[in-house]
Amino acid sequence: NAGVTQTPKFQVLKTGQSMTLQCAQDMNHEYMSWYRQDPGMGLRLIHYSVGAGITDQGEVPNGYNVSRSTTEDFPLRLLSAAPSQTSVYFCASSYTPGHEQYFGPGTRLTVT
Amino acid sequence: KNEVEQSPQNLTAQEGEFITINCSYSVGISALHWLQQHPGGGIVSLFMLSSGKKKHGRLIATINIQEKHSSLHITASHPRDSAVYICAVSRSGNQFYFGTGTSLTVIP
Repeated sequence: NAGVTQTPKFQVLKTGQSMTLQCAQDMNHEYMSWYRQDPGMGLRLIHYSVGAGITDQGEVPNGYNVSRSTTEDFPLRLLSAAPSQTSVYFCASSYTPGHEQYFGPGTRLTVT
Repeated sequence: KNEVEQSPQNLTAQEGEFITINCSYSVGISALHWLQQHPGGGIVSLFMLSSGKKKHGRLIATINIQEKHSSLHITASHPRDSAVYICAVSRSGNQFYFGTGTSLTVIP
């Protein structure tokens, strides 16, 4: 099993550009989520999904979109990148909300 | 105010020392999680517990639901234990709340 994979590992964007961070898991987990990690702050939930076709907002959803067309994939879209979105992004999955989470390796995004 | 508070923020220990990291939370939870983040950035789940105590190798996690407090202990610490340890709580409503982490450095 590959577990949770994320691409790319690193990305530099200019303000206003859009991009998609990819996340995939091969454990048949229903629950998937996206977090951002900033210095001095805990991980913060951006969006989450409890199954294919179902998504919801987390604590910091503004500027991001998600979709969940399959159980395996949960991409995160930045619509118009801003410097405030410079962060490390983690995707995670688990069987159900509240169960042990498996994290991807992270994507380090810089917006200039 | 953060729903999850950890202490200390930073901790330096000599190899072999017994280490305790504390976590307090202010909300009702379904479970508490301890995570480890190594300098390379990857995050690994160490424990998930809703009551009592769990042990895995040299790591022990305890939780006191009444006091809304959990501790992570590392016995016979080793330089490879150097990492950031993160406390998180899961609640009904599908959301997690994370502490800011405790950065541990174990010196040989």
